[in-house]
Amino acid sequence: EDKVVQSPLSLVVHEGDTVTLNCSYEVTNFRSLLWYKQEKKAPTFLFMLTSSGIEKKSGRLSSILDKKELFSILNITATQTGDSAIYLCAPGRGGATNKLIFGTGTLLAVQP
Amino acid sequence: DTGVSQNPRHKITKRGQNVTFRCDPISEHNRLYWYRQTLGQGPEFLTYFQNEAQLEKSRLLSDRFSAERPKGSFSTLEIQRTEQGDSAMYLCASSLGRDGGEAFFGQGTRLTVV
Repeated sequence: EDKVVQSPLSLVVHEGDTVTLNCSYEVTNFRSLLWYKQEKKAPTFLFMLTSSGIEKKSGRLSSILDKKELFSILNITATQTGDSAIYLCAPGRGGATNKLIFGTGTLLAVQP
Repeated sequence: DTGVSQNPRHKITKRGQNVTFRCDPISEHNRLYWYRQTLGQGPEFLTYFQNEAQLEKSRLLSDRFSAERPKGSFSTLEIQRTEQGDSAMYLCASSLGRDGGEAFFGQGTRLTVV
């Protein structure tokens, strides 16, 4: 059965701190891993990772995938209060059963 | 707005009533997904369409749930004889036809069954 585990479940930091969010997965017919940010409404897309060891960056956020060890990390440097959200990891299956399988997320709270 | 659109945004219904939600995906996206999300949980997969074909339906989905995408464009999700346990956020997402390609979500329909 497909499994996605995110850690920590929740995290409280102060503005300016750096955080690392973890995602481990076991997914049949794995194709890619996606990260989403969810505030009060629907998840918004952050990154899609398909290759091991290649870091993707967007401003203060970066992410990397390890397909051998079946995990990914999301880093946020110089955190701001606007980074407060739930961060969801979603490995994607390919082929006819294409779909994203979500973890429960990491709740990040950035205090001023 | 060219993103994924869902209607209604909120729905309150009495237990036992039927409800129908609509999703309009991004126009060139041929894949459409429905997910359900409850408080403290990540989105849970319900069903998936490629064009008008429903290719997968979660075994967690009871027979009270049905989804259609008749012309491969918009989709509807119907819940018959609603129960309080159906209260959740129902999310629709769409993507291009690449395996594992990024999916973009609509704002969701929040259902409350009283």
